[in-house]
Amino acid sequence: GAGVSQSPSNKVTEKGKDVELRCDPISGHTALYWYRQSLGQGLEFLIYFQGNSAPDKSGLPSDRFSAERTGGSVSTLTIQRTQQEDSAVYLCASSPGLSPTYNEQFFGPGTRLTVL
Amino acid sequence: AQSVAQPEDQVNVAEGNPLTVKCTYSVSGNPYLFWYVQYPNRGLQFLLKYITGDNLVKGSYGFEAEFNKSQTSFHLKKPSALVSDSALYFCAVRDGNRDDKIIFGKGTRLHILP
Repeated sequence: GAGVSQSPSNKVTEKGKDVELRCDPISGHTALYWYRQSLGQGLEFLIYFQGNSAPDKSGLPSDRFSAERTGGSVSTLTIQRTQQEDSAVYLCASSPGLSPTYNEQFFGPGTRLTVL
Repeated sequence: AQSVAQPEDQVNVAEGNPLTVKCTYSVSGNPYLFWYVQYPNRGLQFLLKYITGDNLVKGSYGFEAEFNKSQTSFHLKKPSALVSDSALYFCAVRDGNRDDKIIFGKGTRLHILP
């Protein structure tokens, strides 16, 4: 497809379980971002990948959260031992690269995570 | 580190009136500034950006934003609001001098009253 895709669209899990969220960026985009959107909390930065550089993990809220990006394309966000406060919409975005002209981000539809 | 603030959680405007959604930022280098909109049950969409050049930037759906370096602001404006403009608006900033992440504000919910 032409846009950023995320799967699953909805995920309901039990407290303490691990979950994996997937993001397929637009082909050729070198930058990939994960954000979390909670009710009333706005858009919280989680992690940023740019090309082959080491990812900026400064936004990950705890060591239960991790992300990887394989082959500079698909990314997976993993949350271990989920807690109820992890419930949110997880958004992925990609952008073409470093040129100022290409700073615009393209967002996926998000994965709504509910931890019971 | 860069930061962005949207001081208003909600803004109410009557249809046909001008609207302003406020945004201020902090960044050590040159600011790259963005506005995004999130309509109900839809993903975030890019509205406009300031990288360099004219301080008044025009974007989608008749929106514009004014970059004010001295006040470190990038307020979103529209001369005449439509009910269909009701949505959640996010301001975002990136440090243009660094290969750095884009940080978003907490969002402002805009209600256009018919």
